[in-house]
Formats: sequence, structure tokens, C-alpha cells
Amino acid sequence: GAVVSQHPSRVICKSGTSVKIECRSLDFQATTMFWYRQFPKQSLMLMATSNEGSKATYEQGVEKDKFLINHASLTLSTLTVTSAHPEDSSFYICSARDLYGKFDEKLFFGSGTQLSVL
Amino acid sequence: GENVEQHPSTLSVQEGDSAVIKCTYSDSASNYFPWYKQELGKGPQLIIDIRSNVGEKKDQRIAVTLNKTAKHFSLHITETQPEDSAVYFCAASIGDSNYQLIWGAGTKLIIKP
Repeated sequence: GAVVSQHPSRVICKSGTSVKIECRSLDFQATTMFWYRQFPKQSLMLMATSNEGSKATYEQGVEKDKFLINHASLTLSTLTVTSAHPEDSSFYICSARDLYGKFDEKLFFGSGTQLSVL
Repeated sequence: GENVEQHPSTLSVQEGDSAVIKCTYSDSASNYFPWYKQELGKGPQLIIDIRSNVGEKKDQRIAVTLNKTAKHFSLHITETQPEDSAVYFCAASIGDSNYQLIWGAGTKLIIKP
């Protein structure tokens, strides 16, 4: 149980294009999902908190027009990196909170997406 | 601001020996402390957690201890195996939340055959 599916696992794109990453909770409902960014050999950096049916809350320094987040249902959140540039290259990870306590409201993570912008 | 310090940054142990990773936190209101294991190129996986109303929790070869007075908690792995090699992150909750966390910097655990 407590499976969070994230796709794609790896994406390579040209500078200036947009990339969409999907995060799905497969066996529980999540009103809240989180998006993290992780640089090599570093800890997780929270980018934004995504609430179902409402606008995402972004952490200080994270451009909301650059990183578009949509959380249209209790099991799906998407992160779109718009007009990607090489400095956006990173490992992006989503996580989901188990709303109804099926898993004691703990935080579970997707498998991550390695984005490389050429 | 609140923070979590994690030590060591790298730990190398012989297969079969024990490994201990330590974390200290600053927010006295924190009461939930999870540990995550992250393998290369994957997302973090929750391996064990503890709440502040208990001092120790064990799950097979993995245990976590908490000293709330001193504001530190530790991960203990016994009888280490090659598949234990990974980066381990500790975290402390912001208040009593299960999901709003402050993260440690991570410990790279290397199990030598």
C-alpha cells in the first residue's frame, strides 16, 4: 500500500520547451501533494504545496509562473516546468499525504523525475 | 529558523556490523520523527518513524531512539547488508504535523562486503 506513482522517470528536453510531470496516489486519496527539488548529494528542497481544487502554495524563491502546479483530483497532481532552461535541470520528486488516515496520514514519495535541459 | 542537523554525512561500515545515524532538532514543538531511505535515482522511502510519546521503536533490523529532552534521535541498523547502502534522511515535524517536515542533510551509508 501507500504507492505514489510519478512519471516520467527521466526526461531530456531542449531549452525553451515545457515539461509536464505527473504524480498519482494509487491506493489512497491525497488532498495535499508536495513537490520537491533535489540537487546532487543534497537534501530535499520543498518547492510548493499542492491542494486539491485550490491554488498551490509556493515556497519563497520559487517562481510560480515557471513551475505550474495543477491538482485537479484527489489522486493526481502535475508539475509543469515552463520554458525550461539548463539551470532547471534537477531531480524533481512529488509526495502525497494520506488524507483519510489509511496510512496514518504519513508522507509517501514518488520515484522522482530526472530532468535534463539541453 | 528551525533546523535539523544530521551526522555523519558519510558512514562506511563492514557488512554485518551495526550503523548509527544521529540527528538533532531545534523545534521543541516537533513530535514526529520519520526516517527515509533513498536509493540512487529514486524517491525517498519511509522506513521507520517515531512519535514523541515513545522513546524507542523497532522493526526487525531497524530501530529508532528518541531523547526529547536533549532533542535528538537516532537510527540504528543492525546486521547490515549490502542492500542497506543508500542515503538516509531524518526529518522532524513542524509542530505535530505528520507531513510538514524539516529535513536533515542526509547520510550516505556504504556497506563494505
